[in-house]
Amino acid sequence: DAGVIQSPRHEVTEMGQEVTLRCKPISGHNSLFWYRQTMMRGLELLIYFNNNVPIDDSGMPEDRFSAKMPNASFSTLKIQPSEPRDSAVYFCASSLTGSNQPQHFGDGTRLSIL
Amino acid sequence: DQQVKQNSPSLSVQEGRISILNCDYTNSMFDYFLWYKKYPAEGPTFLISISSIKDKNEDGRFTVFLNKSAKHLSLHIVPSQPGDSAVYFCAASAWSEKLVFGKGTKLTVNP
Repeated sequence: DAGVIQSPRHEVTEMGQEVTLRCKPISGHNSLFWYRQTMMRGLELLIYFNNNVPIDDSGMPEDRFSAKMPNASFSTLKIQPSEPRDSAVYFCASSLTGSNQPQHFGDGTRLSIL
Repeated sequence: DQQVKQNSPSLSVQEGRISILNCDYTNSMFDYFLWYKKYPAEGPTFLISISSIKDKNEDGRFTVFLNKSAKHLSLHIVPSQPGDSAVYFCAASAWSEKLVFGKGTKLTVNP
């Protein structure tokens, strides 16, 4: 079975550019999560969706960040404009809906903003 | 304010011995706890979980213990193998799908 698929695996871009990260969740999973991992703050939840609807975006750092889930098999996380402090590894995860369900992670996108 | 703490950034054990990874939490509303393993350049992989109604859950070489009064959980790996060398994350949730993660403990199992 295919796991969570993220693209690109690596992204290097210049400050001010728009960055779009992509995620395909595990088929049949109704919940999708975006995380950011940094040395300072560890793994932080940015936003999550249930059945394509954003439920909690309290972790999104600022208006430069936006996320969409147009259908059950695709989600994007966009940063516009990007800044050097956005450099991090961004993970997408999916799970069956409901509490007490383990989340399954993709291999992440390593983002570097120069 | 860190709700889930892994106070040991690293741990080194000999192959065949027991590895004990510890995690403390502050939020008494947490009702579900998980351990993840992460290799470099990969995403975290779910290992084992425990509900707050239990105090122990076992899966093969992995056992998680929960002490609610002490707000402490631990992961035991017996016997440890070199392939277990990875970063281990503790995570918790409080009646929701939102997970709060610790900062991880790097386990090295020496042959």
